[in-house]
Amino acid sequence: GAGVSQSPSNKVTEKGKDVELRCDPISGHTALYWYRQSLGQGLEFLIYFQGNSAPDKSGLPSDRFSAERTGGSVSTLTIQRTQQEDSAVYLCASSSDGAYGYTFGSGTRLTVV
Amino acid sequence: RKEVEQDPGPFNVPEGATVAFNCTYSNSASQSFFWYRQDCRKEPKLLMSVYSSGNEDGRFTAQLNRASQYISLLIRDSKLSDSATYLCVVNRGFQKLVFGTGTRLLVSP
Repeated sequence: GAGVSQSPSNKVTEKGKDVELRCDPISGHTALYWYRQSLGQGLEFLIYFQGNSAPDKSGLPSDRFSAERTGGSVSTLTIQRTQQEDSAVYLCASSSDGAYGYTFGSGTRLTVV
Repeated sequence: RKEVEQDPGPFNVPEGATVAFNCTYSNSASQSFFWYRQDCRKEPKLLMSVYSSGNEDGRFTAQLNRASQYISLLIRDSKLSDSATYLCVVNRGFQKLVFGTGTRLLVSP
């Protein structure tokens, strides 16, 4: 597609449930990133995939968070046993060369009740 | 101390005004710099890259001072449509962008 596509756009889940968020990057972009943004806060780096290299997971806040990228394209961010503090907008971005900035998807707004 | 610091604002200016935002970063090894714009409840969008020589895109001028670890954005002849949050962004290597929390701009008629 022409842009970065994320689904679902909104997700409401009960505390303790698992959720999966999907990102479909721009075709040909080798780098894929996940960030999250809590209300009124800046963007928090979560994880970065570059080609076939091992992902940089240094931003994942706990072991309840994991992500994978299949076939160098689509990525799934999984949050297990969700907590209320996980409520945020989860943004995916892709890039052909990070030196020139990223293109973001429109995000998934996660609400844990 | 945050790695990228910005004045959160809001900056309230009338249409036609000139407004400037500043940003400082703490990691001297940072390699590339950007300004992003984020509208309410929308994703950030790249506004412009920032170079030491300074660069201009229409009404927008960005400047980088590596010695002072300081980035600026100047908006001339403000429009109502410029109302948004402006994010200062630093690439500190390994393709990881670090975002400031943003400066909110409100342009009024």
